[in-house]
Amino acid sequence: QKEVEQNSGPLSVPEGAIASLNCTYSDRGSQSFFWYRQYSGKSPELIMSIYSNGDKEDGRFTAQLNKASQYVSLLIRDSQPSDSATYLCAVDSGTYKYIFGTGTRLKVLA
Amino acid sequence: DAGVIQSPRHEVTEMGQEVTLRCKPISGHNSLFWYRQTMMRGLELLIYFNNNVPIDDSGMPEDRFSAKMPNASFSTLKIQPSEPRDSAVYFCASSLQAYSGNTIYFGEGSWLTVV
Repeated sequence: QKEVEQNSGPLSVPEGAIASLNCTYSDRGSQSFFWYRQYSGKSPELIMSIYSNGDKEDGRFTAQLNKASQYVSLLIRDSQPSDSATYLCAVDSGTYKYIFGTGTRLKVLA
Repeated sequence: DAGVIQSPRHEVTEMGQEVTLRCKPISGHNSLFWYRQTMMRGLELLIYFNNNVPIDDSGMPEDRFSAKMPNASFSTLKIQPSEPRDSAVYFCASSLQAYSGNTIYFGEGSWLTVV
């Protein structure tokens, strides 16, 4: 079983809709959770970090964490074509070892 | 402030040749990571250094791979001999590990093709 799992997609949503990206992890001791965005041919860049259960909002982005279910999600409101990218979930179990999922490819249709 | 700097950006080499990838972390960061990214396996952690010391190299695929960090501002990842299956994008990343959960910042990557 992979340590961090994501649906590879592609997830297609129309412009202006809400995109919902999901991630599950296997290590119950995980403490820190991150969402990175990676455009084709580019390096990953951080969008959101979340450390405690609940929601964390930053502009059009909301990260949700449920440690009991070992589940992290990212919501993108008012999706734009420029949001089309691969979204990587990363988990740190407290050992400073960041493990990434394989990513979900998002396509926002104009 | 300069980000993580990697070189070369692109490398094409023949099977059996030695490849050396270089990385300069962000100044002041004390942790450095080497990742490999392929379509099939995604982003895999190869090795992680903290204060120039290798902490976890369990992701290094085999003895053909080696990594060093002789000082706080420089690291290398070497593949000898290289094989076609080593073709991938190799990312270096750095972080200030004052506590768990610090953001890691990626370099632009080194695109390696072994023919």
